[in-house]
This record gives sequence, C-alpha cells and structure tokens, in this order.
Amino acid sequence: DSGVTQTPKHLITATGQRVTLRCSPRSGDLSVYWYQQSLDQGLQFLIQYYNGEERAKGNILERFSAQQFPDLHSELNLSSLELGDSALYFCASSALRGGGNEQFFGPGTRLTVL
Amino acid sequence: AQSVTQLGSHVSVSEGALVLLRCNYSSSVPPYLFWYVQYPNQGLQLLLKYTTGATLVKGINGFEAEFKKSETSFHLTKPSAHMSDAAEYFCAVSDRDTPLVFGKGTRLSVIA
Repeated sequence: DSGVTQTPKHLITATGQRVTLRCSPRSGDLSVYWYQQSLDQGLQFLIQYYNGEERAKGNILERFSAQQFPDLHSELNLSSLELGDSALYFCASSALRGGGNEQFFGPGTRLTVL
Repeated sequence: AQSVTQLGSHVSVSEGALVLLRCNYSSSVPPYLFWYVQYPNQGLQLLLKYTTGATLVKGINGFEAEFKKSETSFHLTKPSAHMSDAAEYFCAVSDRDTPLVFGKGTRLSVIA
C-alpha cells in the first residue's frame, strides 16, 4: 500500500460526458502528479501540482484540467470524452517538487468511454 | 528532451535464471534514473533509483541496476528469477526539475 488513494477504481461513461477523478496523496507529500496509461501511448505524464500550484505540464489535452486543493488532494477533470480517452489514470505523490524524488503511485482509476 | 528506450517489450526467463532488462536513456543533463514495477491491476512501485554517487544501485526484491554513462544505459538485473517477479517493468528518466519520462515497459514472464 503506497499511501496514495484514488477514487473511483472504475468508471464507465459515454462519449461527450465529463468525469472527475480524485487523488489523495500520502500524508505530508506536497507534490501530486497525474499520468495516463494506455496500450498505444504507454505511460504519459499529464500534469504536476506542488502545494496547490501547477508546476509542470506534459501531454495534457485542453479538454482535461486538474487542480490541487488546500488539503493537498487533487482532482483531474476530463470533459467531452472520446473513445480514445479510455485508459488507466494514475496519480502519484512525492514529498518534494524536484525530479529526483521518489514518486508513490496510487492504484489507478480505469476509465472506459463507450 | 529526455527519452527512454526499453529493448524488448517481452522477456521470458526460467525460474532461477538471470533476469536482464535493458534500458537506454537520452538526456542532455545528468539524469536521475528509475526502475518501477507494475503487478497486474496495481499501481507502480519503485524498485530502485540512481541520482548521484555509486553507479551500482541495489533495490528491493534482489534487483540491482548499474548506471553506465558512456553507454547511456541503466540495465536492471537479478541473479535468480522467481515466479513472483512476473510483472511489467518500467525504466524512467528525469533530472532535477523535470517529471518522469517512462519507457514503454518490458513484460517479464517467469517459466517454472
């Protein structure tokens, strides 16, 4: 158990819909990262927040957005969903903001868009 | 930009045999290198990491990796494979300020 929690575990929705994925980092960790894992793209970094502020952006679509709240939990919002958005979405957390720090991964949310 | 290449999307070894998973990286600055393991239906777990210092890094579950700057490699090894090692393994690179860039992963199968 990494200490990172993600809800829900599974999400099935239809094209055009909007969903919100939630992540609670390990106690004390200030950085939260979001990743998308799919068969064709592999593991792709989406976005990082550090102590409430956006720190780094990766291959995140404009239809996707995220935020980190004062209690440090984070939400990833996916809108106007397409079939290709079906994937496993991971959240990870680390104590610091730099690249050399170990990231602890949650169990993921499996999104299926029908 | 940084990148990682993992040679072999699937590696199969016999129980008790040497495990060797290959990883080559590209980075214009001194890299931080990681190996993560993903068991079915689970998140990623850190096996080991190299940031600075000793180039031979020991991790959990008997795995180790050696950073070879001249070869831009960070191969993962384990002397004797166990059935419980069957999983997906990911090599990743970052530097002081950038998030992780992952390779496409290598699925390890262990045959009894």
